[in-house]
Amino acid sequence: DGGITQSPKYLFRKEGQNVTLSCEQNLNHDAMYWYRQDPGQGLRLIYYSQIVNDFQKGDIAEGYSVSREKKESFPLTVTSAQKNPTAFYLCASGLGTGSTDTQYFGPGTRLTVL
Amino acid sequence: AQKVTQAQTEISVVEKEDVTLDCVYETRDTTYYLFWYKQPPSGELVFLIRRNSFDEQNEISGRYSWNFQKSTSSFNFTITASQVVDSAVYFCALRPGVSTGNQFYFGTGTSLTVIP
Repeated sequence: DGGITQSPKYLFRKEGQNVTLSCEQNLNHDAMYWYRQDPGQGLRLIYYSQIVNDFQKGDIAEGYSVSREKKESFPLTVTSAQKNPTAFYLCASGLGTGSTDTQYFGPGTRLTVL
Repeated sequence: AQKVTQAQTEISVVEKEDVTLDCVYETRDTTYYLFWYKQPPSGELVFLIRRNSFDEQNEISGRYSWNFQKSTSSFNFTITASQVVDSAVYFCALRPGVSTGNQFYFGTGTSLTVIP
C-alpha cells in the first residue's frame, strides 16, 4: 500500500537526550515536511525538503535537525537544545509543485519528555 | 502576509444537525490553493478537498460541501446531517502560489463534537 509511515507511534525521552523520529514515504513524492502540533494549536512547520540533499528551515527549526539522503526518507532529530519538545509530530509529503500539490500526512509520533 | 483564521475553536452539535465550519484566509498572491483536512482522535490528518483560487464553484461530496468566496476571502465547510463519526478537529490550510515556495499555512483548527 502507498502511504507515509512514522515510527515510533509513542516515544519517551529523558531530558538531555537526542531522539530521532522516522518518516518514510513510498508515494514517490519530491517534497517532505515536518510539523509540530501542541494541544489546542494548529500545525507549525519545523523543516521541509523539496529535493534530496536539500532542506529549509520552517517557522520553529531551533532545536531540531533533519537529513534528506533518500527521496523516501526524512528523519527528524529532536536535540537536547529543544527546550520544550513534548508534542505531537506529523510528517507529510507532496509533489511540491504544481496545481495538484497536496500534502499527505503520516499517523504521527507523540513525543513525551520525562 | 499569509494567514488562515478559524475563529471557531470548538463546536458541539446534536447528531443529524447541519454544521458549518468557517475559514478566512489572507494572501496577496493571485494564485493560491485552499485545503480542508480532518484530524480524527487517532491523530492522522486526512485530506478532504483542494480548491484553487480560479475555481469559485462550490463543491459537494456526499454530506460535505464547500463554499469558496473570494470576495470575502472565505472557504467554509458544511457538514449536512452530522454523524458521530464526524467528530474530529478540522483544519483549513492555504498554499500560496509562488511567494513562499511550497509552504502550507494552517489555521488553528475547529474541534467538532457530534452528540448522539
